[in-house]
Amino acid sequence: DAKTTQPPSMDCAEGRAANLPCNHSTISGNEYVYWYRQIHSQGPQYIIHGLKNNETNEMASLIITEDRKSSTLILPHATLRDTAVYYCIVRVGGSSYKLIFGSGTRLLVRP
Amino acid sequence: EAGVTQFPSHSVIEKGQTVTLRCDPISGHDNLYWYRRVMGKEIKFLLHFVKESKQDESGMPNNRFLAERTGGTYSTLKVQPAELEDSGVYFCASSQVTSGLYEQYFGPGTRLTVT
Repeated sequence: DAKTTQPPSMDCAEGRAANLPCNHSTISGNEYVYWYRQIHSQGPQYIIHGLKNNETNEMASLIITEDRKSSTLILPHATLRDTAVYYCIVRVGGSSYKLIFGSGTRLLVRP
Repeated sequence: EAGVTQFPSHSVIEKGQTVTLRCDPISGHDNLYWYRRVMGKEIKFLLHFVKESKQDESGMPNNRFLAERTGGTYSTLKVQPAELEDSGVYFCASSQVTSGLYEQYFGPGTRLTVT
C-alpha cells in the first residue's frame, strides 16, 4: 500500500502557484519523497525528489517539513499544460527501487 | 537522446490468446521496471530487472505473466493465456543506477484490451 495521503483533487488559476500537499507520517529516515505526474494518456513523468532539505528545479519546488511527515509540491506559475494527476511517493528502499503509487491528486488548472 | 519506447501502443486480443509487449529502455540504463494500471485502479509495480537479472518480481500477478530481458537490453512481457482482468495500460520505466537515487523514466505505455 502507498505510504502517502493526498487530496483527490485540486484546482488553481493559470499563472498562479499550485501547492499540492502530501502526508507521509510513517516515512523512515532513509526514505526519499518523490513526486511524479501523469498527463492524460502519457506515462508518469518525474518532477522532483528530496530527503529532508527543500529542493528546487526547473519544474517545481519541494518543501519538506522538519519532522518529514509531510511535504508540499509547488508549481510556481501553473499553466494549462500542468493539468495532470500528481503522485507523491515515498520510495521503497532495499534491493528494489520500485515506486508505490497511490491515487494521487488530480490538478485542474483553470484558464 | 531517445526515451523509453514501448511496442505496441495498443493491442486488442481475445481471451485465451497470447500477447507480448516490448520495452526498450534508455540506452545505458541497467534498471528496467514494469508497472501496470488496470481499470479504475492505481498504477502497480510488476517487476524490476537489473541488467538481465530479475531483482524483484513480487508484483507479478500470477504465472500467466512472463518477463524476460535477454542480454540486458530490451525486455518483453508475455501474457499467456490472457484473461479479461489483464486489460489495462502496461508501463515500462528505466533508470540509470542501482542506487535508486536517479529518477525512473517511463515509456508511453501499451494499452492492452482483452475481449
